[in-house]
Amino acid sequence: DTGVSQNPRHKITKRGQNVTFRCDPISEHNRLYWYRQTLGQGPEFLTYFQNEAQLEKSRLLSDRFSAERPKGSFSTLEIQRTEQGDSAMYLCASSLGRLKIQETQYFGPGTRLLVL
Amino acid sequence: ELKVEQNPLFLSMQEGKNYTIYCNYSTTSDRLYWYRQDPGKSLESLFVLLSNGAVKQEGRLMASLDTKARLSTLHITAAVHDLSATYFCAPTPDNYGQNFVFGPGTRLSVLP
Repeated sequence: DTGVSQNPRHKITKRGQNVTFRCDPISEHNRLYWYRQTLGQGPEFLTYFQNEAQLEKSRLLSDRFSAERPKGSFSTLEIQRTEQGDSAMYLCASSLGRLKIQETQYFGPGTRLLVL
Repeated sequence: ELKVEQNPLFLSMQEGKNYTIYCNYSTTSDRLYWYRQDPGKSLESLFVLLSNGAVKQEGRLMASLDTKARLSTLHITAAVHDLSATYFCAPTPDNYGQNFVFGPGTRLSVLP
């Protein structure tokens, strides 16, 4: 069990560029979540997947954001036409996903995005 | 919409002292999680409280849940420097929603 991994760990980009982040969940976990965390705040939910299906999206997830989990394993989060307000830590988490009720989520190290 | 408050937001305490962090939330919730985050690091699960009156203890930390009062507490006993971190509570929405709703966090500094 290697835990949740995320790549890259840091990303600096210029405003208007597109960026893509990857998350590899714990191998037997069916649910995968994306959160955004800004400095001094708690993480804010963006979206989650049950296997390959994207089941819930936050209003925070504007149309510039898209997430995929094509084979129910790793996931990507893409931000198009980045804005300075997108600068944040993007956290991925996974959980077993065997029960309807919410389960403990295990978080990855995060990708820190800075938009100049 | 579930809203979560934590008090205090910042806490500086001496080693060996006791203190309690409070987590209040606005709508019914049947379980609540506590997480710890070290500076620049990700979140580590501490406790899951599954029902009203639940109490969990791990080392110098003890968490409790009162679903009727919509309140959870995280009690620190005889603090040590290693406990310095930010602590987040996350009650779950009562509709089987899968997303966590995190509080703003309590930044704890334990001074020698």
